Amino acid sequence: SQTIHQWPATLVQPVGSPLSLECTVEGTSNPNLYWYRQAAGRGLQLLFYSVGIGQISSEVPQNLSASRPQDRQFILSSKKLLLSDSGFYLCAWGQGYGNTIYFGEGSWLTVV
Amino acid sequence: AQSVAQPEDQVNVAEGNPLTVKCTYSVSGNPYLFWYVQYPNRGLQFLLKYITGDNLVKGSYGFEAEFNKSQTSFHLKKPSALVSDSALYFCAVSPGGFKTIFGAGTRLFVKA
Repeated sequence: SQTIHQWPATLVQPVGSPLSLECTVEGTSNPNLYWYRQAAGRGLQLLFYSVGIGQISSEVPQNLSASRPQDRQFILSSKKLLLSDSGFYLCAWGQGYGNTIYFGEGSWLTVV
Repeated sequence: AQSVAQPEDQVNVAEGNPLTVKCTYSVSGNPYLFWYVQYPNRGLQFLLKYITGDNLVKGSYGFEAEFNKSQTSFHLKKPSALVSDSALYFCAVSPGGFKTIFGAGTRLFVKA
């Protein structure tokens, strides 16, 4: 069966510091991978998605970037964090067009 | 623009009573429709989806959803609510590409 892992689960970082959140998927190949951000426990904002190694689509211009160095690895990064980057970050995977996407357990980021 | 609306921020229901969480969408064509549930500080869990066929879709934990094409709605229902159903519920739509669009979420509170 397929599983998705993301880490760290919780992170407190000072303003201006770098960020790296990592996500890996097991039990499938060539998945679509996604990074979402959830603010204030409500709606989800799609940040990035990738349909293959090295292919990144950005949905919202911002202080963040994403990379996919391996088929089942997706990384969310920032060179310098802002206070507004605080939130709950969710990695997800899916297969093909329009199919169900499955989420990781999330990473809480607090920028102080 | 493609969108998903969940008109209620919160739904309150007594345990044992039926529940409905509303969702309408504005997407061209024949989208795939989904419901997810989120418990505090956790990732989203898939409940059910509609692709085609029977307008009543059954999913996990006794939940079901009714698709109505003329009203562009996909309401989540359960015949008898449990206190443990209290959570945040998200309706989502996939227009047919790689992206899934989420509603703002509805908080369900089931009172004992």
